[in-house]
Amino acid sequence: AQSVTQLGSHVSVSEGALVLLRCNYSSSVPPYLFWYVQYPNQGLQLLLKYTSAATLVKGINGFEAEFKKSETSFHLTKPSAHMSDAAEYFCAVSEWTGANNLFFGTGTRLTVIP
Amino acid sequence: DADVTQTPRNRITKTGKRIMLECSQTKGHDRMYWYRQDPGLGLRLIYYSFDVKDINKGEISDGYSVSRQAQAKFSLSLESAIPNQTALYFCATSGVAGEGTEQFFGPGTRLTVL
Repeated sequence: AQSVTQLGSHVSVSEGALVLLRCNYSSSVPPYLFWYVQYPNQGLQLLLKYTSAATLVKGINGFEAEFKKSETSFHLTKPSAHMSDAAEYFCAVSEWTGANNLFFGTGTRLTVIP
Repeated sequence: DADVTQTPRNRITKTGKRIMLECSQTKGHDRMYWYRQDPGLGLRLIYYSFDVKDINKGEISDGYSVSRQAQAKFSLSLESAIPNQTALYFCATSGVAGEGTEQFFGPGTRLTVL
């Protein structure tokens, strides 16, 4: 069965500082991994996804994530935080079993301090 | 125009009332999903449908029912609402499952059960 653990329900960074949001997954088969972002009062928007093509995945708004099989991790990073990055971020995993169901982590709320 | 729309966006109801949340999509996707989001719990799958004739229970289906009226419409019903069903509800869609098929989310319905 798939599951996702996001370490840290709240992360605060200063504007211009590195953003690092952690995600570890559990899957019995090679997973597909996703990061979604939720801005206040909005639905979820895809940031990036890993589909086995390349281990370093680049997404929108300067975010990227690296798939590390040995560590079962898919951490999200951005070199320099911007005020507009303040949002909640969700890591999700799915397996290609035909169901395509997503299993979400509990989310990390990112605060950017001016 | 939004690809995935949800109505109503906000709803306050009383314990014991029947309520229906509606979702429509213009993406032409076969697969549709209903999730609920609770603070600190992330998103949890309630029901999903792979086509008009296919309905499946998700992780937390008790107390909910769904109807897939057409490819583009998927409704969620609470037959007798209770306060612990107060949550943010999201509809999502995806195409036929393939490598890393992503889901597209609506803006959400905030439901309060008094």
